[in-house]
Amino acid sequence: AQKVTQAQTEISVVEKEDVTLDCVYETRDTTYYLFWYKQPPSGELVFLIRRNSFDEQNEISGRYSWNFQKSTSSFNFTITASQVVDSAVYFCALTNAGGTSYGKLTFGQGTILTVHP
Amino acid sequence: DTAVSQTPKYLVTQMGNDKSIKCEQNLGHDTMYWYKQDSKKFLKIMFSYNNKELIINETVPNRFSPKSPDKAHLNLHINSLELGDSAVYFCASSQGRWGANVLTFGAGSRLTVL
Repeated sequence: AQKVTQAQTEISVVEKEDVTLDCVYETRDTTYYLFWYKQPPSGELVFLIRRNSFDEQNEISGRYSWNFQKSTSSFNFTITASQVVDSAVYFCALTNAGGTSYGKLTFGQGTILTVHP
Repeated sequence: DTAVSQTPKYLVTQMGNDKSIKCEQNLGHDTMYWYKQDSKKFLKIMFSYNNKELIINETVPNRFSPKSPDKAHLNLHINSLELGDSAVYFCASSQGRWGANVLTFGAGSRLTVL
């Protein structure tokens, strides 16, 4: 069975601080995909990144960066110089890469990030 | 144009009623999903259709019945609503049913059962 754990339920920071959201996963599959989604106060789910299990390169996109470490089964997300608009619930998710996955995502519990001005 | 649109956005109803939520996507995707987000924000898949064929049916009470009349539409009908059905229901779509595919989600439909 697959499992995703986001141990930080809520994080509160002041604008311009850097913040890291942790994600730890469990899977027996050798090939899998990891995702991060953002849910702003308006409620929709917005895709941020997808990473496959064979690609352990870190990724940076503007103020966002992701650190994937297979050895520790972690896929952490860092926001540099946070802004108020980053306030949202962030979800880490996992799916296996095979045909039986049918696109079924296993989500973590989410981390509520609040950025204060 | 909204890629994945759900109606209604809000639904308030009494216990025991029957209600439907509709979903349409204009992305040309062939796979659609229903996810449920509970009051603690936990997201869990309910159903998935690929080319109108049901491919995921999680442990969901049979009061919930999805219907996909074509690839672009996936509706969710709920009979005999219960208090515990109160949640936000998200529709999503993807191209293909493989794990690599990115799901595009709708804005959600908040169902409140009184």
